[in-house]
Amino acid sequence: TQLLEQSPQFLSIQEGENLTVYCNSSSVFSSLQWYRQEPGEGPVLLVTVVTGGEVKKLKRLTFQFGDARKDSSLHITAAQPGDTGLYLCAGESGANNLFFGTGTRLTVIP
Amino acid sequence: ETGVTQSPTHLIKTRGQQVTLRCSSQSGHNTVSWYQQALGQGPQFIFQYYREEENGRGNFPPRFSGLQFPNYSSELNVNALELDDSALYLCASSPGTGRQPQHFGDGTRLSIL
Repeated sequence: TQLLEQSPQFLSIQEGENLTVYCNSSSVFSSLQWYRQEPGEGPVLLVTVVTGGEVKKLKRLTFQFGDARKDSSLHITAAQPGDTGLYLCAGESGANNLFFGTGTRLTVIP
Repeated sequence: ETGVTQSPTHLIKTRGQQVTLRCSSQSGHNTVSWYQQALGQGPQFIFQYYREEENGRGNFPPRFSGLQFPNYSSELNVNALELDDSALYLCASSPGTGRQPQHFGDGTRLSIL
């Protein structure tokens, strides 16, 4: 079983603060995806990283794929209440399925 | 462009019953994957269908089965329901297999009494 562990599990911060969410595994993935899920909805894809060491930016969100393609991080700058949600990382091993992490529930307080 | 739609949105069943959940894939997508998301956890892969054939399966017992139809819509069937089957069931469609972005529906919330 390929496990993806996310930390922290819960995070509550004030609007304007910065934060980093981590996604770690002992397995190598061909790609890694980050999703955000809001209550009552399905996950929405934010980004896919493919190359070891790759960094992608999406406005205030910065995603990094580890050099060994086993881990990833999501950094949010100047968090806003609209960033509130469940952040999920998901690794793809090439076997036509995604292994999702345990999730990080972020709350941004106005 | 119509997104992924799932029905019903909520369902209550009792132990031992059978249930069928439905998913309409996004236009142009020929691949459908099903996931189970227990409360407070990330989704777990159940299986994937590509052009009406099963194309990968996660660690779920045979009482979880599925179908994909010629229009690429899909069904998830669960027999002999157990209390632990209570979860959000998510369907995701993609334009192919492998490294393709998956588009998720909003899920079916299944509660087993």
